[in-house]
Amino acid sequence: GESVGLHLPTLSVQEGDNSIINCAYSNSASDYFIWYKQESGKGPQFIIDIRSNMDKRQGQRVTVLLNKTVKHLSLQIAATQPGDSAVYFCAESEDSNYQLIWGAGTKLIIKP
Amino acid sequence: DAMVIQNPRYQVTQFGKPVTLSCSQTLNHNVMYWYQQKSSQAPKLLFHYYDKDFNNEADTPDNFQSRRPNTSFCFLDIRSPGLGDTAMYLCATSSDNRVNGYTFGSGTRLTVV
Repeated sequence: GESVGLHLPTLSVQEGDNSIINCAYSNSASDYFIWYKQESGKGPQFIIDIRSNMDKRQGQRVTVLLNKTVKHLSLQIAATQPGDSAVYFCAESEDSNYQLIWGAGTKLIIKP
Repeated sequence: DAMVIQNPRYQVTQFGKPVTLSCSQTLNHNVMYWYQQKSSQAPKLLFHYYDKDFNNEADTPDNFQSRRPNTSFCFLDIRSPGLGDTAMYLCATSSDNRVNGYTFGSGTRLTVV
């Protein structure tokens, strides 16, 4: 469902360090998970996805980890850059259902 | 480049004055979605079209309507905007209801005054 509240969780990371953004998902039947990046004033941009038959997937500078036992998803960004500043949303879905269930979002701030 | 284009980028409208937001796509995706996103919140699905079939979310206010005259275009009509409708409106497309390949437009920032 939709997140509620006016204040996004915030993660501040030094430029060049690795970032880890966490997400707890809600539906045990979800079998597909996506991370989106949303920069200020723009639409969400697909980063990486993972299906429930995997526990890890790597992309360019990003890794998604899935722990189905505790319904936890994480996004790791290696060597964080200023351009990584954005709000990051996780989303879950069942393959049989078009609808995305969105997480609350985490604002990533890069310190110079 | 294939993409999802939303117009206008910014729209200011008066309380109660009807407004229409537009979305076009060159991806030839058969599913088009409209989302509402308020500040610091996740996008909220309002409705979607699967081809010409309209699917409304249960909690979408009647004030919100949509039209899809062809595959490429989709419109969001707000009949009588209230102050609480101030938000970013996002259009997205996908192919055959598969969430992978959800492509979002840049959004229209609507302000109701």
